Amino acid sequence: RLVESGGGLAQPGTSLRLSCAASESIFSTFGMHWVRQAPGKGLEWVALVSFDGTYKYYGDSVRGRFTVSRDNSKNTLYLEMDSLRVDDSAVYYCARDRRSDDSTSWFDLWGQGTLVTVSS
Amino acid sequence: SYVLTQPPSVSAAPGKTARITCGGDNIGSKIVHWYQQRPGQAPVLVIYYDSDRPSGIPERFSGSNSGDTATLTISRVEAGDEADYYCQVWDKSSNHWVFGGGAKLTVL
Repeated sequence: RLVESGGGLAQPGTSLRLSCAASESIFSTFGMHWVRQAPGKGLEWVALVSFDGTYKYYGDSVRGRFTVSRDNSKNTLYLEMDSLRVDDSAVYYCARDRRSDDSTSWFDLWGQGTLVTVSS
Repeated sequence: SYVLTQPPSVSAAPGKTARITCGGDNIGSKIVHWYQQRPGQAPVLVIYYDSDRPSGIPERFSGSNSGDTATLTISRVEAGDEADYYCQVWDKSSNHWVFGGGAKLTVL
């Protein structure tokens, strides 16, 4: 129900845009995240955009290079990745945000991921 | 930023109990969530809000959180439980979402 696309091979220093398509019922009223996983490594949170696009937060390793956005009319989440580095190589997952009374937040629904490889 | 520490590996025989820990400074004051990731697959939420199970997750999966350690307990371990397990918290002060390094459960 979350389907990522846009991954592939990119050279260092270039840009790539990922997309995550969702069904309306699971998208427009929820915040959405990007989470990545380098080959053989653990999960790393990348970015969050609030349900209406008002708030955006980024992980330290991508802040200033990556931009998260969404188009609720198209039920689609985006991740614009600029100035790509070799260590950005990973499977990128989109995931839905769930929270309870502003005391915590978790990921209740995940896509299957799209692989980004940064190499010269 | 807040750090979560998990053992790299945990093992259990079929039918036995596996306990996967997640350590953090006064983690008991935070709310912990757990994900299962089978090889080649996306993560799946198995425990949220310290101890709640999403629909479809077997009762064999349970969670607890106190002091400096949160624990995911899998009772009556099955071969299909072999996977990587990640704990996660929300660091509200920095608006960062933090994962533990992951623990690989091996079913003997």
